Amino acid sequence: DTAVSQTPKYLVTQMGNDKSIKCEQNLGHDTMYWYKQDSKKFLKIMFSYNNKELIINETVPNRFSPKSPDKAHLNLHINSLELGDSAVYFCASSQGTAGYTFGSGTRLTVV
Amino acid sequence: DQQVKQNSPSLSVQEGRISILNCDYTNSMFDYFLWYKKYPAEGPTFLISISSIKDKNEDGRFTVFLNKSAKHLSLHIVPSQPGDSAVYFCAPSGTSYGKLTFGQGTILTVHP
Repeated sequence: DTAVSQTPKYLVTQMGNDKSIKCEQNLGHDTMYWYKQDSKKFLKIMFSYNNKELIINETVPNRFSPKSPDKAHLNLHINSLELGDSAVYFCASSQGTAGYTFGSGTRLTVV
Repeated sequence: DQQVKQNSPSLSVQEGRISILNCDYTNSMFDYFLWYKKYPAEGPTFLISISSIKDKNEDGRFTVFLNKSAKHLSLHIVPSQPGDSAVYFCAPSGTSYGKLTFGQGTILTVHP
């Protein structure tokens, strides 16, 4: 039973489209995150939610909007997709400082 | 501004030998240091961690050493096994609630 699951695993879309990536965790963790791994392989935090409340919002374009309907879900919606948005997006969850559990990633390709 | 650096992009080691992966950081606010391991097409998985109040933490074949004065930590794997071949990320935390700052990773290849 997958602890942190993201869908879809692969997403290919045209520039200008709007798309969403969904994330769900069944670990009972209070905090969820979105990370982006760019072409240089750096993993950088985008957003963090704790009990549905936004607590970290790094310098991310307004086109990216996270939504947390409950503490087990953190979805990422992206408007007006650009070529530079192509990356692998990882969802993760944590409880305290015990370390994260990551999803397997969503590879987004904008053409 | 890269706060966490893993200066060796890759490391190649013979099976049974020791693998040493290094990580340097600049932010003195980091107080908890984690290592993650990542296989292709999978998410990173937690490997081992160390608190800033310690200088060593051991878990089986994996040992992490922390030198706070030098702002340096290292991960030792001994003996190395082919299944250890993966990308290893150093990820300190402490500057913001739950936020991890990842290094760029080191690709470890363990040859049989």
